[in-house]
Amino acid sequence: KAGVTQTPRYLIKTRGQQVTLSCSPISGHRSVSWYQQTPGQGLQFLFEYFSETQRNKGNFPGRFSGRQFSNSRSEMNVSTLELGDSALYLCASTTGTSTNYGYTFGSGTRLTVV
Amino acid sequence: DQQVKQNSPSLSVQEGRISILNCDYTNSMFDYFLWYKKYPAEGPTFLISISSIKDKNEDGRFTVFLNKSAKHLSLHIVPSQPGDSAVYFCAASGAGSYQLTFGKGTKLSVIP
Repeated sequence: KAGVTQTPRYLIKTRGQQVTLSCSPISGHRSVSWYQQTPGQGLQFLFEYFSETQRNKGNFPGRFSGRQFSNSRSEMNVSTLELGDSALYLCASTTGTSTNYGYTFGSGTRLTVV
Repeated sequence: DQQVKQNSPSLSVQEGRISILNCDYTNSMFDYFLWYKKYPAEGPTFLISISSIKDKNEDGRFTVFLNKSAKHLSLHIVPSQPGDSAVYFCAASGAGSYQLTFGKGTKLSVIP
């Protein structure tokens, strides 16, 4: 059974640019969540999608957005990149139909903003 | 406001001994707790979880204890092995919430 796939693994962008990250969940999983990991703040929740609808949103500015497609694949977009957006972005998937669940994480996309 | 706290950034344990990782939370609405293990450049890997209706859950060498009145949980690893060396994250979620709140992690080093 394939795991959660995130692409690309590494990305370098310049301040002011925008970036799109992709996540393919485990087959059959309809919930996809995104997290940002930084050394100072740890793992912080960005948003969660289920059946193409955003169900939860974390405390991040509107520059961070996401979407989910009918095949459950998800993308997140960060516009007007800032140096502080440099982080490991992790995607996690689960069935999404029960709150007692185990999320499976991907290996992440390492974004560096210069 | 940190709702999930792991107060020990690091822990060193001799191989074969017990590792105890601690986690405190402040939000009484949390009802499900998870532990994840993370190696550098990889995503977190789920280890073990516990529902708030239980006070203990065991899986092989890993046991999680939950003390609801103290809002405290701990992960015991017995016996500790060098391959257990990683960063361990405690996470929590509330009923009906599909959002995990993580602690900042504890780096465990198991010394051969």
